[in-house]
This record gives sequence, structure tokens and C-alpha cells, in this order.
Amino acid sequence: GAVVSQHPSWVICKSGTSVKIECRSLDFQATTMFWYRQFPKQSLMLMATSNEGSKATYEQGVEKDKFLINHASLTLSTLTVTSAHPEDSSFYICSARDGIGRNTIYFGEGSWLTVV
Amino acid sequence: KQEVTQIPAALSVPEGENLVLNCSFTDSAIYNLQWFRQDPGKGLTSLLLIQSSQREQTSGRLNASLDKSSGRSTLYIAASQPGDSATYLCAVPGGGADGLTFGKGTHLIIQP
Repeated sequence: GAVVSQHPSWVICKSGTSVKIECRSLDFQATTMFWYRQFPKQSLMLMATSNEGSKATYEQGVEKDKFLINHASLTLSTLTVTSAHPEDSSFYICSARDGIGRNTIYFGEGSWLTVV
Repeated sequence: KQEVTQIPAALSVPEGENLVLNCSFTDSAIYNLQWFRQDPGKGLTSLLLIQSSQREQTSGRLNASLDKSSGRSTLYIAASQPGDSATYLCAVPGGGADGLTFGKGTHLIIQP
């Protein structure tokens, strides 16, 4: 089946620094990718929709200048958490849609971010 | 705004039992519904995808039903096994550009 890879699986960074998380579709082209955040014992919350070659669409309450999303190719989207703070510590998961339209969405394995 | 509710929040049963997990959603104008499994600290594994035109889908010991008009779906797990222990999430399209809206999940423990 289709595979979505996230890297890194976990990362620890210092407060005030930036960290980048990559999301790759390994065996299909993904014109649309999605970024979610999950706090402990909470559900996944959609942060933004990443469209290849255009600006990301952010959900209400998500700061676009803090969570920078780049979708420069059909197989790669990146999420950069800028000026990270401890409250940004969370589990970040990406997903990618195979093709155009209402096709199946595949999820990555997630990335644990701890800001100290 | 779409909201998804899952009941129960947690469930612990001896192995071998048949289980029903419930999911409800507020906006019935969906075109599909998905059930996922999430193991602790891990990503999501898609279990079943039901299109709005379907009433149920089956995969092995799993059966998911969808009643779109009433805004409900159930996941039926037959002959539960300890390996079924995980959090089960229900999700429907409802975020921007068809991003998914998730329920909080049902944390399932199957006792050996």
C-alpha cells in the first residue's frame, strides 16, 4: 500500500530555535498534504492544508508565521516550527492524498517534538 | 462546524468478546467516513473507509456501518484479541480542503 514517511520521528530542541519536519509520499504523488497536531490524550487537530505549488491554508487559530509550511514538490511537504516554545511540544502527524479528488488519505508515522 | 464524538472513551474487556465502538457526527453532509487505529506514540493505520453510498464495510474481524442520515457509525470487532488493544479513531471530511475531523477516540484494552 501507499506509504507516507515522516522525519524525524522525534526531536528535542531548545526554546527559541526552529525545527523542520518532513513529510514524504514514497510511492505516489500527493498534490495535497495535511498537517495535524495531537496533544497527549487528545484527538488529532487539523493545522493546515498544504497544496503543491501554492500557499498553505491554515485552520482558524493556527499561526501561519509560526508554523511555516512548504510543499515544493508532489512528494514532499515540510512543516517548520519557528521560535519554538515548550507549549509547542506535541505529536505532529502529516497525511497525504493519493491523486486528485476524494481518494484515500494516508498518514505518516508522526513526529514527536519536545521543546526544552 | 463538524464535530465528531466517540463513545465510550475507554473500554477494557477480556479477550474473545465482541465489541461495538460508536461514532457520531453533527453534519451528515459527508462523502465518506474512516476508522483508524492508533497505537501508543505511533501514527495512524487506516482500518476501514466507508463511502457515503455504502452502509457497511468489512475487513476480517472488523465491520463498520454508516447511517449517514442519523449521523452515526459503529465499528464492530469480533472475537477480540489482545493485539487489538489500541486507540480507535473515527474521522470524517470536515477540515479545510477535505482535511479530516477526528473524534477523541476509544481507548481499547483487551485483557489476555
